[in-house]
Amino acid sequence: QSALTQPASVSGSPGQSITISCSGTSSDVGGHNSVSWYQQHPDKAPKLLIYDVTNRPSGVSNRFSGSKSGNTASLTISGLQAEDEADYYCSSYRTGSTVEFGGGTKLTVL
Amino acid sequence: EVQLLESGGGLGQPGGSLRLSCAASGFTFSSQAMSWVRQTPGKGLEWVTGISPGSSDKYYADSVKGRFTISRDNSKNTLYLQMNSLRAEDTAVYYCAKMGQSSTGWLRNFDYWGQGTLVTVSS
Repeated sequence: QSALTQPASVSGSPGQSITISCSGTSSDVGGHNSVSWYQQHPDKAPKLLIYDVTNRPSGVSNRFSGSKSGNTASLTISGLQAEDEADYYCSSYRTGSTVEFGGGTKLTVL
Repeated sequence: EVQLLESGGGLGQPGGSLRLSCAASGFTFSSQAMSWVRQTPGKGLEWVTGISPGSSDKYYADSVKGRFTISRDNSKNTLYLQMNSLRAEDTAVYYCAKMGQSSTGWLRNFDYWGQGTLVTVSS
């Protein structure tokens, strides 16, 4: 069982927006501005989408955005495209110098 | 271009040992913290261990503490993972990952990943 809780699946139609949540505790998500999000296509390595809750690495589309409220972080994908269909994982630094991941969310573009 | 190439995976015996390597290129390896992250087939990601640029700080997940050891050779641009006392639940794809930038510390996010090497623990 993963330390951070994500919905197992979400879906949306092309052009729509979807949001994936990531729930933790005050020891991880709520206590540190160190949430990151990753996209993983089948048989590929994960790709960093968001770091430090809201920051996008160079080259990542501005259709991806992150936020946090209390112990829950969120990833929003706007203007859904077919190529966004993938697994999405959140992670957070946890007090005590460890990193935790969520269980992953499968995004289906209808 | 950042490249991370893992090697050393394969079949390990329960209670046995394996050593993974990760050859890095395309960035100043000696200045970057690194980690190992694993993924059970068909399941999620699990951070395993991380090491600071000069090896002064090493951190481990509880699931591997006392059994796995992370190390690096900055003269060879190579990261290592020594895996001892292997268990069936260590079966996974092991990724080498470069730690990314952050305003809050070095053990925060992973900005580049290798393609992974499969470790299978079975008798």
